[in-house]
Amino acid sequence: EAQVTQNPRYLITVTGKKLTVTCSQNMNHEYMSWYRQDPGLGLRQIYYSMNVEVTDKGDVPEGYKVSRKEKRNFPLILESPSPNQTSLYFCASSLQGSGRGGASGELFFGEGSRLTVL
Amino acid sequence: AQSVTQPDIHITVSEGASLELRCNYSYGATPYLFWYVQSPGQGLQLLLKYFSGDTLVQGIKGFEAEFKRSQSSFNLRKPSVHWSDAAEYFCAVRSGGSYIPTFGRGTSLIVHP
Repeated sequence: EAQVTQNPRYLITVTGKKLTVTCSQNMNHEYMSWYRQDPGLGLRQIYYSMNVEVTDKGDVPEGYKVSRKEKRNFPLILESPSPNQTSLYFCASSLQGSGRGGASGELFFGEGSRLTVL
Repeated sequence: AQSVTQPDIHITVSEGASLELRCNYSYGATPYLFWYVQSPGQGLQLLLKYFSGDTLVQGIKGFEAEFKRSQSSFNLRKPSVHWSDAAEYFCAVRSGGSYIPTFGRGTSLIVHP
């Protein structure tokens, strides 16, 4: 089954304790991205990756790191979490393409990781 | 830069009533337009998309959307809402040269029995 898998789904941690949220997709997608969702703010992009070893900042990258060593995996790293990073996080992937006649650019989302930083 | 506006934060309808969720975008050329749905506790799922051609597109779960270039809109409609449609709905736009979509802030749909 085609899917994007995130782990953990729920996590409570304390300020300053490094954590990693993993994301894996089995669709051979080039593009992967991380979003955070907060009430009233919708989805905001943290980082994205166009392909292996290619990553770039989104709208709210501060306090986060990512890596893309393999095509299928795109972990999100919080080196020193703070309470303002309490949020619902989504990983998404898509197949790149022209859109017209090529891949649609439809995003496939994981089920989300709810993170609480105390 | 592309942008998306969903002017309604919350919409409440009765089960069986019709539904229209509004989406306006800002982008010079013809954009690629999407509607996603997020059910409680779930990730986002694509409802439908528009790239070109027929401006009325059909999606899953009985939803449809109409692209109106003159109004820069891509409103989502359903003729008869079911209780299971209660969810958060996101409109998204991306330009032809970018793989990075911009999302609206979402509209929360509440369905009364």
